[in-house]
Amino acid sequence: EAQVTQNPRYLITVTGKKLTVTCSQNMNHEYMSWYRQDPGLGLRQIYYSMNVEVTDKGDVPEGYKVSRKEKRNFPLILESPSPNQTSLYFCASSNYPGNGRPGELFFGEGSRLTVL
Amino acid sequence: AQSVAQPEDQVNVAEGNPLTVKCTYSVSGNPYLFWYVQYPNRGLQFLLKYITGDNLVKGSYGFEAEFNKSQTSFHLKKPSALVSDSALYFCAVRDPRGATNKLIFGTGTLLAVQP
Repeated sequence: EAQVTQNPRYLITVTGKKLTVTCSQNMNHEYMSWYRQDPGLGLRQIYYSMNVEVTDKGDVPEGYKVSRKEKRNFPLILESPSPNQTSLYFCASSNYPGNGRPGELFFGEGSRLTVL
Repeated sequence: AQSVAQPEDQVNVAEGNPLTVKCTYSVSGNPYLFWYVQYPNRGLQFLLKYITGDNLVKGSYGFEAEFNKSQTSFHLKKPSALVSDSALYFCAVRDPRGATNKLIFGTGTLLAVQP
C-alpha cells in the first residue's frame, strides 16, 4: 500500500529537549516536504527536499532542521524545541514536478507535538 | 504573492442538500488548484485538482469543483451531502512557474452535515 509514515504520532516533550520526527515514504517519490498545521493559519511549509541531499527552506523554517540522506526518508529535527513549536506536523511526498505538472501530494497521518 | 482564501470557517448543511465550500485565490498566471479533505486524527487526502482544460473538475467521493478565472474562484461542490462528508476541507494553490511542488493552503473550512 502506498503510504507516508510518520513517527511518533503523538509526543509531549519539554523545552530544549532535542527530538526527531521521522517520515518515510514507499512510493519512490523524489519530492518530500514538511508542513505544520495551526488553527486559523492552515498549513505552512517548513522545509522541502527535491531529492537526496537537496533540501531548502519553506515559509517557516526557524527552529527546525531536516536531512535527506536516503530517498525514502525525510526526518524533521527540533534541536531545542520551544512552546511555539507546539503544533500538528505533516510530512508529504510527490513525484518530481520537473515537467511543470505537479504530482499530487501524499500526506502522512500527522504528528501532534506538545512542547511544555 | 500567492494566496488562498476560504471565507467561511464553517459550513452547515443538512444531509441530502447540495453543499458548496468556497475558495478564492490570488496568483499570477494560470494557477494549479487543489482540494484536500482532512478527517479527524487523519492526514490530508487529495480530492481533486485543476491544472488546465475543462473548468468543471470531478473528484473523489462525488465532489466536484468549478474553476472560474474571472472570479478567481475554485468552489467545491457536491449535489447531495452525506453525514460522512463532515470534515475539514482545504483549498490550495500552486504557482505553475515555481520549480517546487509547494502548495499554499487556505485556512480550512469545517463542513458539518446534519442528519
